[in-house]
Amino acid sequence: DTAVSQTPKYLVTQMGNDKSIKCEQNLGHDTMYWYKQDSKKFLKIMFSYNNKELIINETVPNRFSPKSPDKAHLNLHINSLELGDSAVYFCASSQVEGRESFGPGTRLTVL
Amino acid sequence: QQQVKQSPQSLIVQKGGISIINCAYENTAFDYFPWYQQFPGKGPALLIAIRPDVSEKKEGRFTISFNKSAKQFSLHIMDSQPGDSATYFCAASQSNTGNQFYFGTGTSLTVIP
Repeated sequence: DTAVSQTPKYLVTQMGNDKSIKCEQNLGHDTMYWYKQDSKKFLKIMFSYNNKELIINETVPNRFSPKSPDKAHLNLHINSLELGDSAVYFCASSQVEGRESFGPGTRLTVL
Repeated sequence: QQQVKQSPQSLIVQKGGISIINCAYENTAFDYFPWYQQFPGKGPALLIAIRPDVSEKKEGRFTISFNKSAKQFSLHIMDSQPGDSATYFCAASQSNTGNQFYFGTGTSLTVIP
């Protein structure tokens, strides 16, 4: 059983487009996250949701918006895509006491 | 500001040798320190973790050493194998702040046969 799943795995799109990445976790975790990993493999947290409430919002452009329809899902919407948005985006989830589980990642390429 | 500093950036070790990766943190409120292993094309996977009430934790060939006074912790991989070649991330979190994880910058480990 897949614990944290993301779709799509690869996403290639033109500048200016709007795209979404979906994430689902079946671990019953309370908190879900989105991370961006750049070409140097640096992991930067973008958003965190706990019980459908945004509790962390790092300094990311407002073109990025997380949407959580329920506790098991946290989708990432990106408007007006830019070249610098090209990266691998990871969804993750955790319980309050720790142990963060990551999804397989979505490689976004903006042309 | 980098909350968790990790070194070295890359590491090459002979098969059978010991790989050591170091991390340092500033926030004394951090109370959970995991290490993640990431293979190319995959998401990070939890390898081993420690809480500040112990100075060492060992799981198989992997050991975390934790120095609370120095605010440092390290990962030791004993008898390193080529299959250990991956990128390793240390992280830290504070459990009463929504469990936000702060990651180090990663160490690319290559174990040569």
